[in-house]
Amino acid sequence: AQKVTQAQTEISVVEKEDVTLDCVYETRDTTYYLFWYKQPPSGELVFLIRRNSFDEQNEISGRYSWNFQKSTSSFNFTITASQVVDSAVYFCALVSGNTPLVFGKGTRLSVIA
Amino acid sequence: DAGVIQSPRHEVTEMGQEVTLRCKPISGHNSLFWYRQTMMRGLELLIYFNNNVPIDDSGMPEDRFSAKMPNASFSTLKIQPSEPRDSAVYFCASRQGSGNTIYFGEGSWLTVV
Repeated sequence: AQKVTQAQTEISVVEKEDVTLDCVYETRDTTYYLFWYKQPPSGELVFLIRRNSFDEQNEISGRYSWNFQKSTSSFNFTITASQVVDSAVYFCALVSGNTPLVFGKGTRLSVIA
Repeated sequence: DAGVIQSPRHEVTEMGQEVTLRCKPISGHNSLFWYRQTMMRGLELLIYFNNNVPIDDSGMPEDRFSAKMPNASFSTLKIQPSEPRDSAVYFCASRQGSGNTIYFGEGSWLTVV
């Protein structure tokens, strides 16, 4: 069975602080894909990143960075110098093959000015 | 390019009424997913289609829910009769191929009173 765990239900930080959102996954498949989605207060689900199981290189996109570690089955997401606009619910998700996304419960991030 | 298009965006209906939610996937995508989001249960998969064929409908709550995909560019999710506990945001999403990114529509916000 596939499972995604986001242990942090809510995080609150002050603007300009760095924050890391944790994601731990479970799968028996050797080929799989990991995702992060952002859900701002307006409600839509916005795709942020997709990573395949064979690529453990960390990725950086502006203030966002992702750390993928197969040894610990983790795919953590860091926002550097957080801004109020980063306030949202962030979902980590997993898929293998032709299956649908399996989502974590999400982490609600509040960035306070 | 147009994203996944859902209608209606918002619907308020009375208990017992039939509700039909509509979805147009991204052109060229061959998989379509219906998810439901509630505070209590988070994001849960209701049903998904590959090449217009329903693959897994185990997430459909009960017989009051039905989904169809008559062609590659259109799907419906129907609730008949609706109940207050069906109040949720219903997301449609689509994907091209296996393991690729799943893109979500803006959601249909359903309130059953």
